[in-house]
Amino acid sequence: LAKTTQPISMDSYEGQEVNITCSHNNIATNDYITWYQQFPSQGPRFIIQGYKTKVTNEVASLFIPADRKSSTLSLPRVSLSDTAVYYCLVGDWDTGRRALTFGSGTRLQVQP
Amino acid sequence: GAVVSQHPSRVICKSGTSVKIECRSLDFQATTMFWYRQFPKQSLMLMATSNEGSKATYEQGVEKDKFLINHASLTLSTLTVTSAHPEDSSFYICSAEGDYEQYFGPGTRLTVT
Repeated sequence: LAKTTQPISMDSYEGQEVNITCSHNNIATNDYITWYQQFPSQGPRFIIQGYKTKVTNEVASLFIPADRKSSTLSLPRVSLSDTAVYYCLVGDWDTGRRALTFGSGTRLQVQP
Repeated sequence: GAVVSQHPSRVICKSGTSVKIECRSLDFQATTMFWYRQFPKQSLMLMATSNEGSKATYEQGVEKDKFLINHASLTLSTLTVTSAHPEDSSFYICSAEGDYEQYFGPGTRLTVT
């Protein structure tokens, strides 16, 4: 499983756009990139998943360059409720072993 | 989206006793479930992979005789912490495998006194 590297923490203010970049230099051809959000004392919650280029849903966008060695999660106009830990994971969903390896994650603190 | 529940949400037990944690997929069948452990301010660590109808696969360093896993049906996996000690106090999270993502339970806070 490819290892990921993210900033340990980030600070932002309400209403700003937040971009969290994740490095995954050893990503394999079959790997997808998935981002999860975790609040204290809760299980992780799926945010977005992509393979290449750009993916957008109702809560976030995911930008993946052509070499796929990194990805950027973009949260538009964050609010206080977006304060959480964000995990970037890569994994091959086509193989029998789909266990996820969580890195350190990025602790996002949104200030008023 | 799919829902995974855990029971209990929190439990306090005395050192030396055993505790069972249930993980259920409420609206889908899961042949594979995963158990994670998370200590304060740390990331999730995979403990074991639970396969319906077969033995669980444990990660290196996780004692299979201490953390008993049973996946007797397509909607239920249980984790039993045997002879619990204070160092087993942690947040235990299960997940069930969907088509292209994993669905996580809300977690169980175990405190061993």
